[in-house]
Amino acid sequence: EAAVTQSPRNKVAVTGGKVTLSCNQTNNHNNMYWYRQDTGHGLRLIHYSYGAGSTEKGDIPDGYKASRPSQENFSLILELATPSQTSVYFCASGDQGTEVFFGKGTRLTVV
Amino acid sequence: GQGVEQPAKLMSVEGTFARVNCTYSTSGFNGLSWYQQREGQAPVFLSYVVLDGLKDSGHFSTFLSRSNGYSYLLLTELQIKDSASYLCAVRGSNYNVLYFGSGTKLTVEP
Repeated sequence: EAAVTQSPRNKVAVTGGKVTLSCNQTNNHNNMYWYRQDTGHGLRLIHYSYGAGSTEKGDIPDGYKASRPSQENFSLILELATPSQTSVYFCASGDQGTEVFFGKGTRLTVV
Repeated sequence: GQGVEQPAKLMSVEGTFARVNCTYSTSGFNGLSWYQQREGQAPVFLSYVVLDGLKDSGHFSTFLSRSNGYSYLLLTELQIKDSASYLCAVRGSNYNVLYFGSGTKLTVEP
């Protein structure tokens, strides 16, 4: 079964601190995505990747970096976390097909 | 940018039906997907359409009109457990990327 695992599941960070959200997929999918979900905005695309070594900007990349060191792993990095980045973050994987598989999400609170 | 719009809320009654609407305006079109998301959980894939018309999948059916930039998800014989948010997502000219609407929260009442 397709699997996308995110860690941590919950995180409290201090304003100005660095946060790294990790994602691992065992689907052997080329594409991976990071979305954030806020009430009233739905899922918004932050960064995505076509494969190891590639990262692309989505609709709201400001304040975020991404890293894809391997086919399986895709990280989202907040170098200087701000309270406006408090949200639920979802990682997903998929190919040029019909279905995208999501991880269970990471709830990030920046205080 | 990519625009995908959905009504925020919808209410219906157990045993009847509900139609969740989605309109989109994208650069190019390479398919539209529907996802179900329960509170505190990840979205789960329901259906994918790329051609015009109605696609019947039993409890869920999906309609698409590309010329109108419109789709709907039809849920029949509603059960209380169908209460969830339903997300519409479109692949535009970039075949690799899904753009989501804000979701419609469906409440099914007894």
